[in-house]
Amino acid sequence: NAGVTQTPKFQVLKTGQSMTLQCAQDMNHEYMSWYRQDPGMGLRLIHYSVGAGITDQGEVPNGYNVSRSTTEDFPLRLLSAAPSQTSVYFCASSYSSGFLYNEQFFGPGTRLTVL
Amino acid sequence: AQSVTQLDSHVSVSEGTPVLLRCNYSSSYSPSLFWYVQHPNKGLQLLLKYTSAATLVKGINGFEAEFKKSETSFHLTKPSAHMSDAAEYFCVVSDLDSSYKLIFGSGTRLLVRP
Repeated sequence: NAGVTQTPKFQVLKTGQSMTLQCAQDMNHEYMSWYRQDPGMGLRLIHYSVGAGITDQGEVPNGYNVSRSTTEDFPLRLLSAAPSQTSVYFCASSYSSGFLYNEQFFGPGTRLTVL
Repeated sequence: AQSVTQLDSHVSVSEGTPVLLRCNYSSSYSPSLFWYVQHPNKGLQLLLKYTSAATLVKGINGFEAEFKKSETSFHLTKPSAHMSDAAEYFCVVSDLDSSYKLIFGSGTRLLVRP
């Protein structure tokens, strides 16, 4: 199993550009999520999905879109990049969303810089 | 609402000495608690989790944590630090109030001196 994979590892964008961060998992997990990590703030939830075709907003959703057409993939789209979106982005997955003791498995992260 | 407070942003210890990383939580329900570790430029890895079966939880690499409901704490300890333990550690809470989503603390960076 590859686990949770993310591409690209690094990306530099100019303000106003758009791009998609890719996330895939091969563990047949129902639940997938996107976080951003900023210094001194831990990880904050951007969007999440409890299954194919179902997505919802997390704590900091503004400026990001997601879709979930398959169980395996959960891409994150930045529609018009802003410097405030400079961050490290992590994708995570777990077996289900409704189970209290679920461990989430994290990808290696994408480091994004917006100039 | 639930929240997590990691009381130290940085902890520095000498190799071979004990490690203590402190975490306090706030939760309206019986929470699930986790510690994750992040090595430099890596993703997060689960160290251990509290599942209400036992208050003392053992994790990987010799780490353990004790759930103390009266103190709303879930401190992470290790008897003897190793150089490879240098990393950032996150205390995480999940409960019914958050619909089981993970709420992260701000992290504690552990430095191990030779």
